[in-house]
Amino acid sequence: QKEVEQNSGPLSVPEGAIASLNCTYSDRGSQSFFWYRQYSGKSPELIMSIYSNGDKEDGRFTAQLNKASQYVSLLIRDSQPSDSATYLCAVNWDNYGQNFVFGPGTRLSVLP
Amino acid sequence: NAGVMQNPRHLVRRRGQEARLRCSPMKGHSHVYWYRQLPEEGLKFMVYLQKENIIDESGMPKERFSAEFPKEGPSILRIQQVVRGDSAAYFCASSASGGTPYEQYFGPGTRLTVT
Repeated sequence: QKEVEQNSGPLSVPEGAIASLNCTYSDRGSQSFFWYRQYSGKSPELIMSIYSNGDKEDGRFTAQLNKASQYVSLLIRDSQPSDSATYLCAVNWDNYGQNFVFGPGTRLSVLP
Repeated sequence: NAGVMQNPRHLVRRRGQEARLRCSPMKGHSHVYWYRQLPEEGLKFMVYLQKENIIDESGMPKERFSAEFPKEGPSILRIQQVVRGDSAAYFCASSASGGTPYEQYFGPGTRLTVT
């Protein structure tokens, strides 16, 4: 059973701080990794994808991937109250569009 | 470039009726995924389709649920004889074929309420 685990949260950080969201996965052969943001009552929105070890930066967001440790994280710099949402980690086990698994999500609350 | 479209956005059905949920993928996308999300719970994969083919339906209940993605027109998720436990948000996502990674883009969802 392929699994994706995330910090249960809720994670609370003050405005302006760095929020760190973590995700681990069970299959060492996993190929692609994704972070989504979901506001309450809305659909998931893709933030970033990453498939090579190391860091990938996009604005205030940085995704970090360590395949040896089966670990992917999302850092949000200068957190804003508008970042308060549930963050979903998704893992694609292969490169054929199949075998996606979403983690349960971590609820982030950025306090003004 | 229009995003993923789903309709209806809200659907109310009485127990025993049929529910039909429609999804039009993003332009140029030929892969469609359906997910179900119960309140305060995570996304649960249901089915993955390409044009005229069901690739993976391992997450879809074997009874009452079916999905299709015809050559022309939207993908349809059909729930027959709905029960209260079917009340949930149903999301459709689409992705392009070829290349990596297979980034999925979600539609706004259909909120199904069974009374």
